[in-house]
Amino acid sequence: KAGVTQTPRYLIKTRGQQVTLSCSPISGHRSVSWYQQTPGQGLQFLFEYFSETQRNKGNFPGRFSGRQFSNSRSEMNVSTLELGDSALYLCASCRNRATQETQYFGPGTRLLVL
Amino acid sequence: AQSVTQPDIHITVSEGASLELRCNYSYGATPYLFWYVQSPGQGLQLLLKYFSGDTLVQGIKGFEAEFKRSQSSFNLRKPSVHWSDAAEYFCAVGAILGNEKLTFGTGTRLTIIP
Repeated sequence: KAGVTQTPRYLIKTRGQQVTLSCSPISGHRSVSWYQQTPGQGLQFLFEYFSETQRNKGNFPGRFSGRQFSNSRSEMNVSTLELGDSALYLCASCRNRATQETQYFGPGTRLLVL
Repeated sequence: AQSVTQPDIHITVSEGASLELRCNYSYGATPYLFWYVQSPGQGLQLLLKYFSGDTLVQGIKGFEAEFKRSQSSFNLRKPSVHWSDAAEYFCAVGAILGNEKLTFGTGTRLTIIP
C-alpha cells in the first residue's frame, strides 16, 4: 500500500506570493492533518480535514487555509507569504476520526520564502 | 491543554551502547502516546505507540517504550544502537477523542559515534 505522498517536495517563493501544497493520503484514509515544522517552533498542528470539512484548527493566521476533496486528497494554501513561513510542511493521514487511530506522515514539502 | 516535554535536546551515544530518550507528558486523562523518528530531510516515521494495555510496548527497529502513569513518562529505549539510528526523535500525545491532532515534543537529536 502506497504511503502518504506530498507534492511538490521543494518550493521556492518570494514574499507576498501565494502557494498551494498537495497531499494524497494512504488509500482508505479519510482524515488528513497538516503540520508546520520549523527549527524555532518545532512541529505545530495547522488543521485537519475529514469528509471535506475542516474539523480541527491550530493557532495560525487566516493566511493559512486548506481543503479536502471527495477522494480525501487535501491541499493547503498560504497566501501573502512571509519569510517566517519558510518551513517543512508535513501532511499526515489516518483512517478515521476515532480513538486508537495512528497518523502516518508524508515526506513533507520544504518551502523557502525569499 | 496537553503538552509534551523532551528534556534532552541532543544525545550522543557510542554504537552498540544502550539508549534511553526521555519524554514527559501533561494530559488530563489517559493519553495516547507515540514516538516518531525523522531522518534528515525526511518525514516522520512511526516507531511505536501506546493506547492501552501492556505498559511496555515494542516497536520497529528494536525500539521499545514504557508508559509510566505515576511519572507521566513514556521513555524510549533501545538496548544496542546502530549508526543508522542517528536521527531526530519526537514524542507525541494524541487526544482521547481522536488522534488527528498530535502535540509534539521539541525532539531529541541522536548522534552515534563509532
